[in-house]
Amino acid sequence: EPEVTQTPSHQVTQMGQEVILRCVPISNHLYFYWYRQILGQKVEFLVSFYNNEISEKSEIFDDQFSVERPDGSNFTLKIRSTKLEDSAMYFCASTKGSGAPTDTQYFGPGTRLTVL
Amino acid sequence: AQSVTQLDSHVSVSEGTPVLLRCNYSSSYSPSLFWYVQHPNKGLQLLLKYTSAATLVKGINGFEAEFKKSETSFHLTKPSAHMSDAAEYFCVVSGSGGSYIPTFGRGTSLIVHP
Repeated sequence: EPEVTQTPSHQVTQMGQEVILRCVPISNHLYFYWYRQILGQKVEFLVSFYNNEISEKSEIFDDQFSVERPDGSNFTLKIRSTKLEDSAMYFCASTKGSGAPTDTQYFGPGTRLTVL
Repeated sequence: AQSVTQLDSHVSVSEGTPVLLRCNYSSSYSPSLFWYVQHPNKGLQLLLKYTSAATLVKGINGFEAEFKKSETSFHLTKPSAHMSDAAEYFCVVSGSGGSYIPTFGRGTSLIVHP
């Protein structure tokens, strides 16, 4: 069964450094998402992406964050200058549909980002 | 605005006994509701979803949930727990207020004792 994959599984970085988290969504899916989960807290929506542009974004997704689909398979989340509070598990997800509330999202295993 | 409350952070059961994981939601429109399960080091996997069809929804691995609009609840149940059910469970609501952004509950950790 096709799966969403994410790399790396764990990323350690110094405060102020740029990081790029990578995701490969399921190949025929159209809508892509990033979420984060700070340890002990809820999973929070960051951004959704459709047709090569951001569809919706949360208040968390400020100018330090950007997303890109650089080729036909990868979907990346870049954090320009990491802060301690960016330490979290980051999940990528994709849906086959056009982002309707009823769509099932397929999640990757996550990347644990640790900012020192 | 929409919100989700998972009433228990941890639920502990013995193998073979029933499972009840509670979820209450608030939504200004007819919501879509989901239960996801997360096993250690794995992504979230859909167990089941409610999208305004039948109120009793059957999912994978013997789980089911009932949408009760009058109680704004979507509790997850299973008649008989298995050791492999031990995981984190998330209740999710979406579709309120014209936004497709899903809102997650805090999660309930299910512990299954032999």
